[in-house]
Amino acid sequence: GDSVTQTEGPVTVSESESLIINCTYSATSIAYPNLFWYVRYPGEGLQLLLKVITAGQKGSSRGFEATYNKETTSFHLQKASVQESDSAVYYCALGRNNYAQGLTFGLGTRVSVFP
Amino acid sequence: DTTVKQNPRYKLARVGKPVNLICSQTMNHDTMYWYQKKPNQAPKLLLFYYDKILNREADTFEKFQSSRPNNSFCSLYIGSAGLEYSAMYLCASSSGRGDTQYFGPGTRLLVL
Repeated sequence: GDSVTQTEGPVTVSESESLIINCTYSATSIAYPNLFWYVRYPGEGLQLLLKVITAGQKGSSRGFEATYNKETTSFHLQKASVQESDSAVYYCALGRNNYAQGLTFGLGTRVSVFP
Repeated sequence: DTTVKQNPRYKLARVGKPVNLICSQTMNHDTMYWYQKKPNQAPKLLLFYYDKILNREADTFEKFQSSRPNNSFCSLYIGSAGLEYSAMYLCASSSGRGDTQYFGPGTRLLVL
């Protein structure tokens, strides 16, 4: 079946430092899955951070970026300079682009940003 | 409004008793999903409704039921709760091929 592996947390980083969360995937049911990063801020529900549905393309949101790399089956999340408000749990996920299919999530990476 | 609502937010259940969780959305999305999230595990898809068609994952087929009386509401039903059902249950909805799923805040179920 499909699977997603991401950086094991917790990750601790100081404000204004850079952050990278690694994500690799294995999609046995589809050649070109849709790739997502979801985030859960303290006290809130899961929400979409960014998504990319085309291999080779980059998605960006709130200063975060991720590039869909089909060759390395990776979708790493990066931010050049984090803020305390980026403290959250980040989930990498893949979706089959068939209509109405569920997502396969990674375990999540808890990120704590300290001032 | 991209809100998905879930009720209740917390649920305490006894072993062997039924549990019914409710989800609603007002975005007119055609698909609604239920995921189970346990500590230190990834959210796991349990089932989803595409319009009126229910699709259940093979490994949870017999453990969970669901109904969707109209486009806006979807329930998750456990006929006889066991300790292993203690988890966070996440509802989501989406519209369109491979589209973004919008999640509710979750219902935390504790079975004693």
